[in-house]
Amino acid sequence: ETGVTQTPRHLVMGMTNKKSLKCEQHLGHNAMYWYKQSAKKPLELMFVYNFKEQTENNSVPSRFSPECPNSSHLFLHLHTLQPEDSALYLCASSQAPRDIQYFGAGTRLSVL
Amino acid sequence: GENVEQHPSTLSVQEGDSAVIKCTYSDSASNYFPWYKQELGKRPQLIIDIRSNVGEKKDQRIAVTLNKTAKHFSLHITETQPEDSAVYFCAASKPGAGSYQLTFGKGTKLSVIP
Repeated sequence: ETGVTQTPRHLVMGMTNKKSLKCEQHLGHNAMYWYKQSAKKPLELMFVYNFKEQTENNSVPSRFSPECPNSSHLFLHLHTLQPEDSALYLCASSQAPRDIQYFGAGTRLSVL
Repeated sequence: GENVEQHPSTLSVQEGDSAVIKCTYSDSASNYFPWYKQELGKRPQLIIDIRSNVGEKKDQRIAVTLNKTAKHFSLHITETQPEDSAVYFCAASKPGAGSYQLTFGKGTKLSVIP
């Protein structure tokens, strides 16, 4: 395993629910990322955290709210999602200045 | 921003043949080009990468070539095996503030027919 753990692996939620995705890396990295993977689309970068500071927010709707309490943990808080938000959400980490990113197994999200 | 185009979207080859996947990028400042393999239901895994200061890199049956002038790079898999069947993603990135933004291609679904 790569040392990046995501929970839960699967999540089904209604549009009015609030849930959170969790990512933990055991690699000692200092940068963490959230990606969205939809069918027939490229992996889309959502958020980047470097040393716990958010450095990128790629025009993601406010119904997705990231949190990075420390360099090993990353959360994605979800509320009032839409069915089109159903996708595989992948977390990754890297160690600056190296740019190799290691991915978690992802959370398969279904919004009903 | 960066734009990465990847072709073909699907590729079927006979076991033992070679497979080639091509990508182009738009931002001349990009300097790092990884390739990821994603098997069904699994995480993307880095299989090979190349930096802009080299033109070719090989690792056993896998090779990547980079043409900076034309802004394209390719993945070559020789002597393909059924376990090479997966979706392959190319990506391009440039350094940011201590982290790297990877822009991915749409992926190529490779099927190796026994």
